[in-house]
Amino acid sequence: DTEVTQTPKHLVMGMTNKKSLKCEQHMGHRAMYWYKQKAKKPPELMFVYSYEKLSINESVPSRFSPECPNSSLLNLHLHALQPEDSALYLCASSQVEGDRGEKLFFGSGTQLSVL
Amino acid sequence: GENVEQHPSTLSVQEGDSAVIKCTYSDSASNYFPWYKQELGKRPQLIIDIRSNVGEKKDQRIAVTLNKTAKHFSLHITETQPEDSAVYFCAGMFSGGYNKLIFGAGTRLAVHP
Repeated sequence: DTEVTQTPKHLVMGMTNKKSLKCEQHMGHRAMYWYKQKAKKPPELMFVYSYEKLSINESVPSRFSPECPNSSLLNLHLHALQPEDSALYLCASSQVEGDRGEKLFFGSGTQLSVL
Repeated sequence: GENVEQHPSTLSVQEGDSAVIKCTYSDSASNYFPWYKQELGKRPQLIIDIRSNVGEKKDQRIAVTLNKTAKHFSLHITETQPEDSAVYFCAGMFSGGYNKLIFGAGTRLAVHP
C-alpha cells in the first residue's frame, strides 16, 4: 500500500463549526505532515510529526489543532476558522532518518471552504 | 531563513522542445531536493529527486542537476509532450533532523501540440 488517504475530500463549514480532517497511511512511515495550499500557490508547511510527536509548528494559529493518535493516523482539528482559511489541505508522510531527506508521499487533499 | 526561489513562473514550449526550470536555495546545509508535478485538482507527485552528494540524476526524459557551491538546482525535461503540462514545484529539505520540506513558488508549464 503506497497510498496516503485523506477524508473528507471536500468540506464546507461555517465559522462557528468544529470539524476534523483525517489522514491515514500504512507504509510504515514515521513522519507525517500537514500542508496548506491556496489556489495557484505552493504547498505551505503547517505541522510535522516525527514518531508521533509534534516536531514542527510553523506558527500556525491555534484554531488549527493537529493530533497524531498513532503512527498511521494524523488528524487536523478545526475550530472557529476564518474565510481566508479556505484552501486545499494536504497530508503527507515519509520515512524519518535524522538529517537525511526522504521522499514525501502526498494524499489527495481536503478542499475546505469556510463560509 | 529557509527559502527556495523558482524561475520562471510560467513556461510555454512547443511539443518536442526542451524545458528548463531553475531553483535556488538559501541554506547551504540543505541536503535533499525533490521536484513535484501537480496537475489541476490533483495531489503533488514526486517526479525526481537529488541528494547533495550527487551532481546530476536522470530518469528517461527528466533530469535534475545540482550545483552545491552556487546553491542552485535545475529540472530539465526533453522531448516535451502535451501531458507534461502541469505546475512543477522544486523543494528543499532543510537540515536539523526535522524533515522540513519547503517548496518554491512553482512553474506553470504549457506544452503546445
